[in-house]
Amino acid sequence: AQSVTQLGSHVSVSEGALVLLRCNYSSSVPPYLFWYVQYPNQGLQLLLKYTSAATLVKGINGFEAEFKKSETSFHLTKPSAHMSDAAEYFCAVSDHNGGYNKLIFGAGTRLAVHP
Amino acid sequence: EAQVTQNPRYLITVTGKKLTVTCSQNMNHEYMSWYRQDPGLGLRQIYYSMNVEVTDKGDVPEGYKVSRKEKRNFPLILESPSPNQTSLYFCASSSLIGQGIGEQYFGPGTRLTVT
Repeated sequence: AQSVTQLGSHVSVSEGALVLLRCNYSSSVPPYLFWYVQYPNQGLQLLLKYTSAATLVKGINGFEAEFKKSETSFHLTKPSAHMSDAAEYFCAVSDHNGGYNKLIFGAGTRLAVHP
Repeated sequence: EAQVTQNPRYLITVTGKKLTVTCSQNMNHEYMSWYRQDPGLGLRQIYYSMNVEVTDKGDVPEGYKVSRKEKRNFPLILESPSPNQTSLYFCASSSLIGQGIGEQYFGPGTRLTVT
């Protein structure tokens, strides 16, 4: 079965520092991969997605993620954190082969940004 | 504006009192899904629907029902709510990519408390 592991339920960075949120997936075939962000009291918003095109994917708000098949990883990065980036981030995987009909979400990583 | 709407946004009810949470999307998406979000567990899929009159169980379907009589609507029904169904519920919709799921658009969430 598909699974997604997000390393670190809480990550804290200083404003202006590098943001790195880790995501590893298990899949027997190259999946579709997504990062979603959830701001307090809101639904989930798509940050970026990988659908087998370029391995380095750029998303909104300066975030990007790199698909590394050999490492089964899809880590999310941002060069310089902003206070407004404080939120919970979810990695998700969808298998686009074999009729797999759902997204599997990781448990989430809460990002705190301090001055 | 493309959106997924849910109602109500907040609901407090008592054990055993049937309730329905509505979900509607205006993007003509084939796929719709319900998730529940609990701390430390991320989002877990309750039910999903690939199209009108086509529904299937997700990972945590016990105690829930759904129907898909129209493409735009996908209500979640709790016939006899119990306290362990206290959670934050999200509806989502998506177009299909091949046989898999593309970007999912999420509703704002419904916070349900069952006493």
